[in-house]
Amino acid sequence: EDQVTQSPEALRLQEGESSSLNCSYTVSGLRGLFWYRQDPGKGPEFLFTLYSAGEEKEKERLKATLTKKESFLHITAPKPEDSATYLCAARNSGGYQKVTFGTGTKLQVIP
Amino acid sequence: DAGVTQSPTHLIKTRGQQVTLRCSPISGHKSVSWYQQVLGQGPQFIFQYYEKEERGRGNFPDRFSARQFPNYSSELNVNALLLGDSALYLCASSLGLDRPNEQFFGPGTRLTVL
Repeated sequence: EDQVTQSPEALRLQEGESSSLNCSYTVSGLRGLFWYRQDPGKGPEFLFTLYSAGEEKEKERLKATLTKKESFLHITAPKPEDSATYLCAARNSGGYQKVTFGTGTKLQVIP
Repeated sequence: DAGVTQSPTHLIKTRGQQVTLRCSPISGHKSVSWYQQVLGQGPQFIFQYYEKEERGRGNFPDRFSARQFPNYSSELNVNALLLGDSALYLCASSLGLDRPNEQFFGPGTRLTVL
């Protein structure tokens, strides 16, 4: 069965303190690894798609990387507005393209 | 361009009732998926529809059903509601099944079952 595990569950950073969020996945035939940001009570907001090991994507203070077993979301010099829950999800290549989500990392950036 | 829209925003039902949730995908997107998100958890996959056909089903009971219309909008129906069905129901659309296949989510429908 496909599994996506995120760590840590929660992370508290000082403004400007860089860190990384981890996403470990076990998926039969990865057809996409996705990162989303979710604010309380809202739908997830798409950030990145990664398709193959070694791929990297960047957007402002965020950078996502992918290996054969893990993905990392690096946050450089975070600001308070980066506070949110970050979700990782993986799509398999079965006859039904199921997307499995992790439980998320709740990030709090303190001024 | 308008994003994914969902209606209603909030819904309160009692146990045993039936509910219908609606979703309109981003213009040009032919695939719609439904997810259930319980507080503190990641979204759980319920259904995927592509070109009006069911292409994926998660581990949910038969009380859950869905359909996709010719204009690619979709409905999720839940019968015989249980207290445990209280959750945020999310709809996501994507262009199709091949790359790029990222999904874009709507704001969700908050369902409360009393």
